[in-house]
Amino acid sequence: AQSVTQLGSHVSVSEGALVLLRCNYSSSVPPYLFWYVQYPNQGLQLLLKYTTGATLVKGINGFEAEFKKSETSFHLTKPSAHMSDAAEYFCAVSGTGTASKLTFGTGTRLQVTL
Amino acid sequence: DSGVTQTPKHLITATGQRVTLRCSPRSGDLSVYWYQQSLDQGLQFLIQYYNGEERAKGNILERFSAQQFPDLHSELNLSSLELGDSALYFCASSPTGQTFGNSPLHFGNGTRLTVT
Repeated sequence: AQSVTQLGSHVSVSEGALVLLRCNYSSSVPPYLFWYVQYPNQGLQLLLKYTTGATLVKGINGFEAEFKKSETSFHLTKPSAHMSDAAEYFCAVSGTGTASKLTFGTGTRLQVTL
Repeated sequence: DSGVTQTPKHLITATGQRVTLRCSPRSGDLSVYWYQQSLDQGLQFLIQYYNGEERAKGNILERFSAQQFPDLHSELNLSSLELGDSALYFCASSPTGQTFGNSPLHFGNGTRLTVT
């Protein structure tokens, strides 16, 4: 079974500051890892994913995440926050089998202040 | 726009009642997934259908059921509703039912269910 833990249910940063949203995973098999973003009154949208290969993954809107197997982490970063980044961010994990389920973390709400 | 359509957007009903939530997947997608999002439970996977057949089951209550029709749209039926069933219900679709690595989920905007 797989699970993810997102550290910090709320994160507040100033516009222009570094964004760091933390995610640690647990998986008995090599995981697929994802970050999704949810804007108010909308569904979830895929930001980026790690499957195999390069451990530094670039996504949309300037976000990136690094898969660190030794730390079982997949933290999401963005060098400079923008007001439009304010949203809820979900880390998710799945296995690689055909019956795998996508399991989400509890989410981190990002607030961007002037 | 993800291409996944959910209706209705909002639903208010009383305890003990039954409701049906509808989802039309993206054109060409064969898999439909249902998720429940609530403040205390977060995003919980309920059930997945692939090309009309149940593929995977999550934390779905016995009072809930789903099906996927030949035109690939799906319905989630919730019966004997309780206050705790109030939540946002999301439908997502993907092209295949195999793995998530090569076919990420595309989510609809959800149906907000309020049970009073």
